[in-house]
Amino acid sequence: QSALTQPASVSGSPGQSITISCTGTSSDVGGYNYVSWYQQHPGKAPKLLIYEVSNRPSGVSNRFSGSKSGNTASLTISGLQAEDEADYYCYSYTSSSTLDLFGGGTKLTVL
Amino acid sequence: EVQLVESGGGLIQPGGSLRLSCAASGFTVRSNSMTWVRQAPGMGLECFSVVYSDGNTYYADSVKGRFTISRDNSKNTLYLQMNDLRAEDTAVYYCATGSGSYRLDYWGQGTLVTVSS
Repeated sequence: QSALTQPASVSGSPGQSITISCTGTSSDVGGYNYVSWYQQHPGKAPKLLIYEVSNRPSGVSNRFSGSKSGNTASLTISGLQAEDEADYYCYSYTSSSTLDLFGGGTKLTVL
Repeated sequence: EVQLVESGGGLIQPGGSLRLSCAASGFTVRSNSMTWVRQAPGMGLECFSVVYSDGNTYYADSVKGRFTISRDNSKNTLYLQMNDLRAEDTAVYYCATGSGSYRLDYWGQGTLVTVSS
């Protein structure tokens, strides 16, 4: 099963907003509202930012938001901060496999 | 507080075996789906094995027939038995679980497995 498609890298300046896309198919991203997003700093375990497309767990900043249109989910980070520099991964249920799918990951650089 | 602590990683020769452990606290392993995720050096995340609360287990093709996921309810611990290890299995291995379906709220710190002669 192929990974979900994310841009390899995105960048933005402090205070700006950026959006990371995650493209799948109607068997995964497009067909179900089971997309989640994770932030991973170097050498650390991933951290859940968003679940079920647009829900934030308790304790996650409201600068992080999620949405979906068709087969593409998106993570938006507003008011970029230096500590947002990290790798970001989407993750989705898929009806085509017994295992859920990760995206290939996006490296965010804060300029 | 939910906590997951992995152990058992290390340097192993190709063809060798290793067993990883993931000790859980703050919740009951048998009541949750438990997932193994790995990350090869410089690469992305790969979900390669899961055990559901009903006991069903699933594997990615890359590890099927070589890896076995299991749990010891009395020890509240998840295991990954890895046999016939290959260089491409070199990765940091994480155990993870969620508060609901199709999400991974809680992660261990990861344990590094290096397969090399």
